[in-house]
Amino acid sequence: AQSVTQPDIHITVSEGASLELRCNYSYGATPYLFWYVQSPGQGLQLLLKYFSGDTLVQGIKGFEAEFKRSQSSFNLRKPSVHWSDAAEYFCAGERNTGNQFYFGTGTSLTVIP
Amino acid sequence: GAGVSQSPRYKVAKRGQDVALRCDPISGHVSLFWYQQALGQGPEFLTYFQNEAQLDKSGLPSDRFFAERPEGSVSTLKIQRTQQEDSAVYLCASSRQVRDEQFFGPGTRLTVL
Repeated sequence: AQSVTQPDIHITVSEGASLELRCNYSYGATPYLFWYVQSPGQGLQLLLKYFSGDTLVQGIKGFEAEFKRSQSSFNLRKPSVHWSDAAEYFCAGERNTGNQFYFGTGTSLTVIP
Repeated sequence: GAGVSQSPRYKVAKRGQDVALRCDPISGHVSLFWYQQALGQGPEFLTYFQNEAQLDKSGLPSDRFFAERPEGSVSTLKIQRTQQEDSAVYLCASSRQVRDEQFFGPGTRLTVL
């Protein structure tokens, strides 16, 4: 079955600390992978995407993610978290022979001063 | 408009009522998607249109759910005889073409009493 898994339901980090949010996928073929952020009352906003090529992708707001085929992972990272980064983060995958997006259950990020 | 819009933003329905949720995609976007997001969960795919053609409706949970996009722009998701388990946020997304970044609307929060 095709799926995207986010093992961490909730993460708390201090402002200025580094951040890594985990995402694992299970697809037969190389999927298209995405990270979205959802702030309260806001729509989902795309942070970054991986289709092919360089396995380290840069996104908006200082985020990056690395595709690791050997680990079936696509973890999101940020070197220094800002209070405004507090939100819900969703990893999503799209199998490259279809058009369905599969979202993970999300990771809620809290940033403490 | 600048982004995807959805109306109404909030809808309260009595069990058994029919509801209609509207999505205005970004002008010129070929692809349109509907998702259902239950509380504390990631969005789940419902259906997909390419222009006016509904190419995938495999995610619709029952035959009470019906979606249309008759002129290839605005789309309506209709839920007949609503049940309490239909309570969720319904998200609409559009993309310029197939396999492109999806832009999400703010969602319609449906509460069935």
